[in-house]
Order: sequence, then C-alpha cells, then structure tokens
Amino acid sequence: EDQVTQSPEALRLQEGESSSLNCSYTVSGLRGLFWYRQDPGKGPEFLFTLYSAGEEKEKERLKATLTKKESFLHITAPKPEDSATYLCAVQAPQGGKLIFGQGTELSVKP
Amino acid sequence: NAGVMQNPRHLVRRRGQEARLRCSPMKGHSHVYWYRQLPEEGLKFMVYLQKENIIDESGMPKERFSAEFPKEGPSILRIQQVVRGDSAAYFCASSPEKGTEAFFGQGTRLTVV
Repeated sequence: EDQVTQSPEALRLQEGESSSLNCSYTVSGLRGLFWYRQDPGKGPEFLFTLYSAGEEKEKERLKATLTKKESFLHITAPKPEDSATYLCAVQAPQGGKLIFGQGTELSVKP
Repeated sequence: NAGVMQNPRHLVRRRGQEARLRCSPMKGHSHVYWYRQLPEEGLKFMVYLQKENIIDESGMPKERFSAEFPKEGPSILRIQQVVRGDSAAYFCASSPEKGTEAFFGQGTRLTVV
C-alpha cells in the first residue's frame, strides 16, 4: 500500500536555527513528490515538485531534496513567518491523486 | 489569474440535509481533485475528475457522496443526508494536466449540527 510518513510531527525552532523535515515514502513507482505549506484555516500552498532521486529545488530559505526512499525539506535561518504546517505528498504512477503525509507543524519563535 | 475558487467558505447543515460544495478551477485547468481534511487528520483523496468524466473515485464513500464536473460551470461535490461525521474541511485542487502540480483552493468548512 502506498504510504507517506512525515517526521517530526511538530518542530519548534528559534529564529535563525536551521533544521530539516523528513518525508519517507513507499510507493509502487514514484511519479512525483510534492511539498506544500498550509497555514491555519487556509488551503495548501504549492512549494516544490521533485521527480527523480538526486533532484534538488530551492525557494528562498527552503530547499527540497529527494532520494529513492525519502525527501528532506531543509529550512535555513528560518523566520517567524515560516511557521506553518508542511505537507509532503506522493503521486503514484497512474498520476492523478496525491497521497499525503500527516504533516510537520513548524513553529519559529523570534 | 484567479486561483482555485471554492464556495461557500463555510457551510452549516443540520443532520439529514444535503450539502453542495462548488469549485471553479484555475483558468486553463481541466483536471479537478477533491480532498477531505478531518480534524487532526491529514488530507485524504476523494475523487479526480476531468470535464464530464470521473477518472478516479477510489476515495469516495460508497453512499451519500457524489461529484461532477460538467462541460460548463464549476465542479460540484454533493453530500446527501449529512451526518455529524461529515464535518470537515473539503478542499478542491486543479491542475493543467494529469501528473503536474495541483493548486488548492481555500476550502469549504462543513459543520453538521
């Protein structure tokens, strides 16, 4: 069964304290891995798509990487406005639906 | 370019009533997906539609739930005879092609009283 596990469930950082979020996945042929950010009461906001092992993408303080079994979202020198829940999702070979992890709730304190 | 539009943002229904949730995809997007987010749970896939076709409904409950995406107009998720357990946030997403990144709307929060 296709599955996505994110860790940790919650992460508290001080402003400027870099860290990484993990997304482990089991899928029968990965078509794509997606990272989203979700603020309370809002819909998920698209961040990155990764398609193959070794691929990396960056956006401001965020960098996403992909291996054959997991993806990391690295946050460099975070700011309080980076506080949100970060969601990881995989897309199976047939495309279409996304299978989401439970998310990592990130809190960055000034 | 407007994003994915969902309405209403909040919907309150009494047990046994019908709920209709609407979703207008981004301009140029012909693929629509519905997801449900229960309190303290992750996003769960419900159904994937293209214009006038249901492509994948593997996540839809067998009874009371239906979805459509007509040739003209928004996609509709319909829940008949709602129960308290249907209370959740329902999100719609759209993509230009199958397999590309999907963009989400702000959701409809359904409360069944």
